[in-house]
Amino acid sequence: EADIYQTPRYLVIGTGKKITLECSQTMGHDKMYWYQQDPGMELHLIHYSYGVNSTEKGDLSSESTVSRIRTEHFPLTLESARPSHTSQYLCASRERGADYNEQFFGPGTRLTVL
Amino acid sequence: RKEVEQDPGPFNVPEGATVAFNCTYSNSASQSFFWYRQDCRKEPKLLMSVYSSGNEDGRFTAQLNRASQYISLLIRDSKLSDSATYLCVVNDQTGANNLFFGTGTRLTVIP
Repeated sequence: EADIYQTPRYLVIGTGKKITLECSQTMGHDKMYWYQQDPGMELHLIHYSYGVNSTEKGDLSSESTVSRIRTEHFPLTLESARPSHTSQYLCASRERGADYNEQFFGPGTRLTVL
Repeated sequence: RKEVEQDPGPFNVPEGATVAFNCTYSNSASQSFFWYRQDCRKEPKLLMSVYSSGNEDGRFTAQLNRASQYISLLIRDSKLSDSATYLCVVNDQTGANNLFFGTGTRLTVIP
């Protein structure tokens, strides 16, 4: 089992609220990622990080922001949630270096914005 | 053009059947390749890496054709538990070195 954790697993919240989705890994991986995935649809990379103090935007534009103050922690924040943010958010991590390193995913946070 | 293209399916096959999935990738410089499996409402998990010489893991065989930029996954003797979405994944050889995930091919094995 991968040592990567996400909280909360499910979140139902009203429009306009600020939310933070937590992601932690205990594998010491430098690279971390956030993906957005609607049911039955493809994964979209929204943010990634090479390591501490590194954050980059992914392929899909997102109104969320991320931070990487510690290696093991990569939280995602939405300042003002909207119904269009309703989706599943998956965090992942991968050791930097060899091309065949496995990428591990957390169990996901299913967000519903009313 | 997408980095990784897959037939989305769905593939509905009877138990015991052999089924093959294919995908193509656009960057000829890509060096590493994978198949991930994603169960309904779960996170993706690595099924197997795909090496140049082809590789097998039990009922699963993965093959790579660099000349055609084509990757395949063969599942023999399908089980009900094989029902899932199979994601073709290719390493990005640019500076980011991220993984590109295909849209996935959905497989349902029918009793």
